[in-house]
Amino acid sequence: DAGVIQSPRHEVTEMGQEVTLRCKPISGHNSLFWYRQTMMRGLELLIYFNNNVPIDDSGMPEDRFSAKMPNASFSTLKIQPSEPRDSAVYFCASSPGQGAFVGSGNTIYFGEGSWLTVV
Amino acid sequence: DQQVKQNSPSLSVQEGRISILNCDYTNSMFDYFLWYKKYPAEGPTFLISISSIKDKNEDGRFTVFLNKSAKHLSLHIVPSQPGDSAVYFCAASLTGTASKLTFGTGTRLQVTL
Repeated sequence: DAGVIQSPRHEVTEMGQEVTLRCKPISGHNSLFWYRQTMMRGLELLIYFNNNVPIDDSGMPEDRFSAKMPNASFSTLKIQPSEPRDSAVYFCASSPGQGAFVGSGNTIYFGEGSWLTVV
Repeated sequence: DQQVKQNSPSLSVQEGRISILNCDYTNSMFDYFLWYKKYPAEGPTFLISISSIKDKNEDGRFTVFLNKSAKHLSLHIVPSQPGDSAVYFCAASLTGTASKLTFGTGTRLQVTL
């Protein structure tokens, strides 16, 4: 089975430009997460969708960030306008159900990440 | 505020020896703890977990220990192998759910020959 698929894998853009990151979750998973990885803060949850509905977006840093999930197999994370401090690795992850119970060995499955550099 | 802390950004261990990765947390309401492993250019993958009602969980070469009174957990890898070289993230969950995972900043483990 295909895992979580993210695109682009690498993106270099100029400050002020719009950036769109894409994610295809694992088929049948109905929870989707966007994370950002930085050296200082590790993996931070930006937003969490369940059944295509945003449940918790408290981690979205500011209004320049927005995320959508128009259907069960696709999500986007958009940054407009981008700034150098947005440079990071952005991970999309999915899990089988709302608040999938992690203790039983179920877990969230990460994509390979999108490396964003804003110059 | 970092609720989950990994104070050692890196660790170097000789092959065959024990690797001990540490993690501290501040929220006493966390009830599940997990470790993820991440290779370069890949996403993190689940390694091992432990419930707050236990103090130890073992899976092959990997053992996680939980000290609730100290709000501390550790991952032991015995014996360490070069393929274990990766970044290890500690994560804690409220209500045991994926939607409430809080990650630490990671520890880079280098297993040398």
